[in-house]
Amino acid sequence: EPEVTQTPSHQVTQMGQEVILRCVPISNHLYFYWYRQILGQKVEFLVSFYNNEISEKSEIFDDQFSVERPDGSNFTLKIRSTKLEDSAMYFCASSDEGVAQFGSGTRLTVV
Amino acid sequence: EDQVTQSPEALRLQEGESSSLNCSYTVSGLRGLFWYRQDPGKGPEFLFTLYSAGEEKEKERLKATLTKKESFLHITAPKPEDSATYLCAVQARTNAGKSTFGDGTTLTVKP
Repeated sequence: EPEVTQTPSHQVTQMGQEVILRCVPISNHLYFYWYRQILGQKVEFLVSFYNNEISEKSEIFDDQFSVERPDGSNFTLKIRSTKLEDSAMYFCASSDEGVAQFGSGTRLTVV
Repeated sequence: EDQVTQSPEALRLQEGESSSLNCSYTVSGLRGLFWYRQDPGKGPEFLFTLYSAGEEKEKERLKATLTKKESFLHITAPKPEDSATYLCAVQARTNAGKSTFGDGTTLTVKP
C-alpha cells in the first residue's frame, strides 16, 4: 500500500539554525499538508499546498516557515532560525480529494 | 472557528469490555469527520470517514457513528492491541482540506 514517507525521523538542531524537513507524498495525490504535534498536545494544522502554491495556512505558519515542492516527488518544510518552542513532531500528509494520509513524522528537537 | 472536543481524555478497559469514545464538534458546514488511530511516536493512521448524520462505518471491532453534533467510536470486545490514542478530526466545506483535530482519547486495554 502506498505511504507518505518522511525524513529524517529525528532531527536535533541548535536554536537559531535552519532545518529542512522532507516528505515524499503518495504519488497520485494533489494536496499536501504539514501538521505539528507538540508533546502531549493536539495535532495542529500548519499549511496546505495545492497546484504549487499555499492554499491555506494557520497562524502558527509565520514568516519563519516556508514550504516547497522542489521536484515532482518531494515536499519540504523549512524552518528558519529555529526556536525552542519549535520542538515537536512534524507530520506531512497528502490526499487526492479525500482523506489525508499521514507520514510517521519527524521529531524535531531544538536545543 | 471549527472545534473538536473528545471525551474521555483517557479510558482503561479490561479485555472484552465494550465502550464508546465521544467526539463533539462544531464546524461551519461539515465536509467530513475522520477517526484516526495514533500509536506512540507514530503518525495518525486513518480509520473512518463519515460525511452525513446517520452514517455508520465498521471495521473489525470498531464502529463509528455520526450525528449533527457528535460522533461516537464504539469498541466491541476490545483486545490489548487496540490500545492507542484515538483522534477525531473535522473538515469544513469552506477550507482547502485542512483538518481540525481533537485532543484524542487514550485507550488502554488490559489483558
